[in-house]
Amino acid sequence: NAGVTQTPKFQVLKTGQSMTLQCAQDMNHEYMSWYRQDPGMGLRLIHYSVGAGITDQGEVPNGYNVSRSTTEDFPLRLLSAAPSQTSVYFCASSPNLERGTIYFGEGSWLTVV
Amino acid sequence: QKEVEQDPGPLSVPEGAIVSLNCTYSNSAFQYFMWYRQYSRKGPELLMYTYSSGNKEDGRFTAQVDKSSKYISLFIRDSQPSDSATYLCAPGGDTGRRALTFGSGTRLQVQP
Repeated sequence: NAGVTQTPKFQVLKTGQSMTLQCAQDMNHEYMSWYRQDPGMGLRLIHYSVGAGITDQGEVPNGYNVSRSTTEDFPLRLLSAAPSQTSVYFCASSPNLERGTIYFGEGSWLTVV
Repeated sequence: QKEVEQDPGPLSVPEGAIVSLNCTYSNSAFQYFMWYRQYSRKGPELLMYTYSSGNKEDGRFTAQVDKSSKYISLFIRDSQPSDSATYLCAPGGDTGRRALTFGSGTRLQVQP
C-alpha cells in the first residue's frame, strides 16, 4: 500500500533556484492538495486540485505553481526559491474532501539558503 | 481570531496519566470532527472521526464533541510514551470549503 508518495524527502536549495516536489497517489482520489507546515502556524494550504486538469489556489499560493495532468500525480513547483519557503511540505489526497479522510504523504523538508 | 484554536503545548505527562487535548472552533456549520496524530518527521494520520455532538471511543482514545459550546476534546487513557506526538484537530462539514481547517496542533510528551 503505497498511499501518497512524496519525493524528495530532504532538499537544500539556493535562493533563486527552482525545483519540483513530486507527489503521487495510488488510491484513485480526485482531490489532492499541498500544505506547508511551519512552527506555530499549523498546516496551510498552498494549492489544491479537485480532479485532473483542475487546480486552484489555497491560502498561501505565491511562489508556487501546480499542475494536474493525471489523477495520480500532483507536482508542486517552486519558481524562484526564497528563504521564506523553508518549510515542511505535505501532499495529501482524499476521496471526498469534507466527509472523508485526508491521507498525507511523509513530507518533504526544504531548506532555502 | 482563528477559526480553530488549539493550545500548542507542549504538554508533558507521566506514563499512565489521562491526557485531555482540546480545541475550540467558531463555525457552526462544522459537522464532522477529526483528530490527526503526527509523529516527529512524519505526515499526519487520522486518529479519530466523529459526527455531530457526543462521544466516540476507540481503545484508549475518546473523542468528545460539544457543538453547543463549539468545543472538541480528545482524551487518552493510560498514556504511553508511544503516544508522544503532535495532535491536530480538524473540524469539517458541508461548508463548500477548499480544504479542511486544521488546528495548529498540541505537542504531547509522555514521560516513561
